[in-house]
Amino acid sequence: SQQGEEDPQALSIQEGENATMNCSYKTSINNLQWYRQNSGRGLVHLILIRSNEREKHSGRLRVTLDTSKKSSSLLITASRAADTASYFCATVFNRGGNNRKLIWGLGTSLAVNP
Amino acid sequence: DTGVSQDPRHKITKRGQNVTFRCDPISEHNRLYWYRQTLGQGPEFLTYFQNEAQLEKSRLLSDRFSAERPKGSFSTLEIQRTEQGDSAMYLCASSHPPGQSSYNEQFFGPGTRLTVL
Repeated sequence: SQQGEEDPQALSIQEGENATMNCSYKTSINNLQWYRQNSGRGLVHLILIRSNEREKHSGRLRVTLDTSKKSSSLLITASRAADTASYFCATVFNRGGNNRKLIWGLGTSLAVNP
Repeated sequence: DTGVSQDPRHKITKRGQNVTFRCDPISEHNRLYWYRQTLGQGPEFLTYFQNEAQLEKSRLLSDRFSAERPKGSFSTLEIQRTEQGDSAMYLCASSHPPGQSSYNEQFFGPGTRLTVL
C-alpha cells in the first residue's frame, strides 16, 4: 500500500520556471528519496535525504524534509522541457534491519512547456 | 550497458495462463526487489532478496505469485493462473550491499508490461 501522497497530482509550467512538489508520509522513516519516471528512461533515482537532514541540494534540485510534519518537498529550478516526467517520493521505514524496500507515493505528473 | 535488465519487455497472455519474467540485476548488487505498478499509481513492493534468500514477501502477493533467485544473481517472477487484475508493469530493482555509500539507492530495470486478456 502507498505510504503517502504527492501534491499536486499534476503540474504544468513554462520552461525556465521553478516547479515545487510536495510529499507527505505516514510513519517514521529512515530516509526519503525522490525518483523520476518517464517513458524513455524508466525510474531513475534523483536524490536521497536522511531523517536527520533538513535540506539537500543536487544540481537544480533542492529537497527539504520536515519530520515533525512528515512531509518533504522537491524544488526543480529553471525547469527544462526534458524535466517533463512523473516524480515520486519513496520512503524507507525506520525499523532497523537491512530491508530497504521503498514505499511509494502516488506521484506528481510534471509538464514543462517550451 | 551494465544496468538492470528485464525480459520480456511486454507480455500479452490470456486469463488462466502462467507467465514468467526475468530480471538481471547489476552484477555487484546483492539486493534485488520486485515491485508492481499500475497506471496512475506509484510502484508497490512485492518481494525482496538478499543474495539468494527471499527475506520479505508482501501480503499483496497471493499464492499464485512466486519469485526465485537461485544463485543470487538473476531472479524470476512467476504468476500462475493469471487474472485480469494482474495486468500491470512489473519492475525489478537492485542495490548495493550495506556499507557502501549508495546502498539505499535502487537501480530500476525498464519493467515488464503484462496484459492479461
